[in-house]
Amino acid sequence: DTAVSQTPKYLVTQMGNDKSIKCEQNLGHDTMYWYKQDSKKFLKIMFSYNNKELIINETVPNRFSPKSPDKAHLNLHINSLELGDSAVYFCATGGVGETQYFGPGTRLLVL
Amino acid sequence: GNSVTQMEGPVTLSEEAFLTINCTYTATGYPSLFWYVQYPGEGLQLLLKATKADDKGSNKGFEATYRKETTSFHLEKGSVQVSDSAVYFCALSDPNEKLTFGTGTRLTIIP
Repeated sequence: DTAVSQTPKYLVTQMGNDKSIKCEQNLGHDTMYWYKQDSKKFLKIMFSYNNKELIINETVPNRFSPKSPDKAHLNLHINSLELGDSAVYFCATGGVGETQYFGPGTRLLVL
Repeated sequence: GNSVTQMEGPVTLSEEAFLTINCTYTATGYPSLFWYVQYPGEGLQLLLKATKADDKGSNKGFEATYRKETTSFHLEKGSVQVSDSAVYFCALSDPNEKLTFGTGTRLTIIP
């Protein structure tokens, strides 16, 4: 049983489109995160939600909007996709100061 | 703010060689320190961690010691294997739950 799952695994789309990535965790953690990994493998946090409430919101274009319908889900919606949005997006979950558990990633390619 | 500086890669070693990947950090307070590993095409997974000064984290033959006096958390392994080829990330976690990653070090082990 996968602890943190993401869908889709791959996403290829045209510039200007709107897309969503879904994340689900079955670890019972209160906190969930979205990270972006660029082509050089650099990882940067985007958002953090604790019990459906936004905690961390790094400098991310407002085209990116996270939504947490419940504690086990954190989805990422991206409007008006741009070439520079191409990256791997990772969902993660974990407790305060504790180990984070990462999903397998969603590879987004914007053409 | 918090930051993590780790050894630039890529690092290429022969099987059974000794590995060191350097990591130093800057943080206020007393962060927890982590090494995460990312195998090709996968998400990150925890390799080891240390939560206070002088703690040693270890797993799968890898070790790292939390050195407060030198603000370091270097990763070592006595004899690497081909299966250790991956990208290794040093990270710290502050009380606000934010995980700050280093830039990652790509390790390739040749038979």
